[in-house]
Amino acid sequence: AQSVTQLGSHVSVSEGALVLLRCNYSSSVPPYLFWYVQYPNQGLQLLLKYTTGATLVKGINGFEAEFKKSETSFHLTKPSAHMSDAAEYFCAVSQPTNDYKLSFGAGTTVTVRA
Amino acid sequence: DTAVSQTPKYLVTQMGNDKSIKCEQNLGHDTMYWYKQDSKKFLKIMFSYNNKELIINETVPNRFSPKSPDKAHLNLHINSLELGDSAVYFCASSTGLAGVETQYFGPGTRLLVL
Repeated sequence: AQSVTQLGSHVSVSEGALVLLRCNYSSSVPPYLFWYVQYPNQGLQLLLKYTTGATLVKGINGFEAEFKKSETSFHLTKPSAHMSDAAEYFCAVSQPTNDYKLSFGAGTTVTVRA
Repeated sequence: DTAVSQTPKYLVTQMGNDKSIKCEQNLGHDTMYWYKQDSKKFLKIMFSYNNKELIINETVPNRFSPKSPDKAHLNLHINSLELGDSAVYFCASSTGLAGVETQYFGPGTRLLVL
């Protein structure tokens, strides 16, 4: 069985401040991990993903995430928030024991204050 | 050109009606999906097709029937619509089913059942 927990349904940051979105997973085997972003009234777009290899993954728009197996976490960060980062962010996992179906977390809404 | 397109973008209908949502991808992908996003923005997979063959069929009422006439198209037909079917439906596609592939999402179809 697997599940994804995103801590904090809403995160508000000031422009230029650090963005930190938390994601923890429960999985019996190392999963594949994804972060997707959804801008208002749009579909989801991949920010980054971890499959194998280097545990620090860099994505688009200055985002990065680190896979920490010991903490079963895949937190998303961006050093300096921009107004355009306001969106809904989803952590997702897939693994062979679940037919590689993407299971999404509940999402975190990010607002950026000027 | 839009990679994954859906029609219609908005759909307002009465309970008991039958409606269809169409999805097309021009990415040359072999795998297509339907997701449902509820009012709390929770995303859950409904179906997936690989090379026109049904692969994933979650516990979805049989009022929902996907049809894939070719690899580039995956349509969703819904019979006897109910209030609880109101949601945003997303189509997505990927190159395969190994679990590591990026899924590309359409813009969504916002269904409101009155």
